[in-house]
Amino acid sequence: NAGVTQTPKFRILKIGQSMTLQCTQDMNHNYMYWYRQDPGMGLKLIYYSVGAGITDKGEVPNGYNVSRSTTEDFPLRLELAAPSQTSVYFCASSLRPNTEAFFGQGTRLTVV
Amino acid sequence: GDSVTQMEGPVTLSEEAFLTINCTYTATGYPSLFWYVQYPGEGLQLLLKATKADDKGSNKGFEATYRKETTSFHLEKGSVQVSDSAVYFCALSLSYGQNFVFGPGTRLSVLP
Repeated sequence: NAGVTQTPKFRILKIGQSMTLQCTQDMNHNYMYWYRQDPGMGLKLIYYSVGAGITDKGEVPNGYNVSRSTTEDFPLRLELAAPSQTSVYFCASSLRPNTEAFFGQGTRLTVV
Repeated sequence: GDSVTQMEGPVTLSEEAFLTINCTYTATGYPSLFWYVQYPGEGLQLLLKATKADDKGSNKGFEATYRKETTSFHLEKGSVQVSDSAVYFCALSLSYGQNFVFGPGTRLSVLP
């Protein structure tokens, strides 16, 4: 079972560059999430989606954009990368409210 | 607002010691409760869960009981192993909004 798959696993960006972090899930989950985890810290929600075509901001959305054109995919777009976006990014999904979330392995991003 | 509080650690124990990581929550409504574990360099994995009051979740020797009267979900293990060294996150799941609220995580180190 693939579960939640994130690509790439590692990436180094220069300041001002853009990139898209890919996330796909094969569990037919309605809910999907993007979190960032700074070193030694907990998770901060960037964006989430409750279904295809519906997205909403989380705690730290500035500098990011998302789209949800299909149930399976939930890409995260970084525009004009900044050093403050150096972090590990996790994508997660859940079937419905009050059920567990399944996490991807993460994307470690460094902006230099 | 909805929140999760847990002891931040780090917690350092000797092998075979008893483990308790405290977790309390504040929520409007009736959440489900979870413990996730994150091993170094990996994503979060579900450790155990409980969906209603007095439910006990258990897995790999870990246990936690959903206490509605004290709004708590403390994680316990009778005898820890070096392989239990990881970061443990308490979380609640709601039926509205961003759906998940995570605690800050507790880093556990188990020494041989």
